[in-house]
Amino acid sequence: GQNIDQPTEMTATEGAIVQINCTYQTSGFNGLFWYQQHAGEAPTFLSYNVLDGLEEKGRFSSFLSRSKGYSYLLLKELQMKDSASYLCAVRESGTPLVFGKGTRLSVIA
Amino acid sequence: DTGVSQDPRHKITKRGQNVTFRCDPISEHNRLYWYRQTLGQGPEFLTYFQNEAQLEKSRLLSDRFSAERPKGSFSTLEIQRTEQGDSAMYLCASSPDGSNQPQHFGDGTRLSIL
Repeated sequence: GQNIDQPTEMTATEGAIVQINCTYQTSGFNGLFWYQQHAGEAPTFLSYNVLDGLEEKGRFSSFLSRSKGYSYLLLKELQMKDSASYLCAVRESGTPLVFGKGTRLSVIA
Repeated sequence: DTGVSQDPRHKITKRGQNVTFRCDPISEHNRLYWYRQTLGQGPEFLTYFQNEAQLEKSRLLSDRFSAERPKGSFSTLEIQRTEQGDSAMYLCASSPDGSNQPQHFGDGTRLSIL
């Protein structure tokens, strides 16, 4: 079976740091992806983790702990344009991705 | 890199009609995926192609759904005898070979069944 959990909504202040958590229980694991999706638009790739640890890309970082089935996406120096849904997706043994329901982030002034 | 393009962007049709969507992947990508997304949910996998071969289909894909990628380039997704529950955003994605390669998504086709 497969289960990917993320908070439904989060609110954070412009300029602040926010951490979006994702826990997963899947029958296999072959990598975890984070995507950003603005309303009415395509998901866009943010980060990929397959080994434990932190991957940093500018204002965005993603962490993975395979033993805990846990990942987080860290967004620093929040900007209004970061208001979007953030999707956690796991690749099990096959090729397609299994997505969580997404976390809708609202950045307020 | 022109990205993944999908056509049409929006489709409104009556229940019982057939609809067909097209996806043009990024040109050098061998893999092509179809997903469906409803409001407040993440994308759900439907099917995927490696070149022209359809390698995997989700149980979500009823026999009313069929997908093709005849020359290993563009793909079509057809839904026959549409039902109201088919109303959703249909997303296409493509990627190169390799398990670490991210999938790049098109803007989707929004289907509304009246």
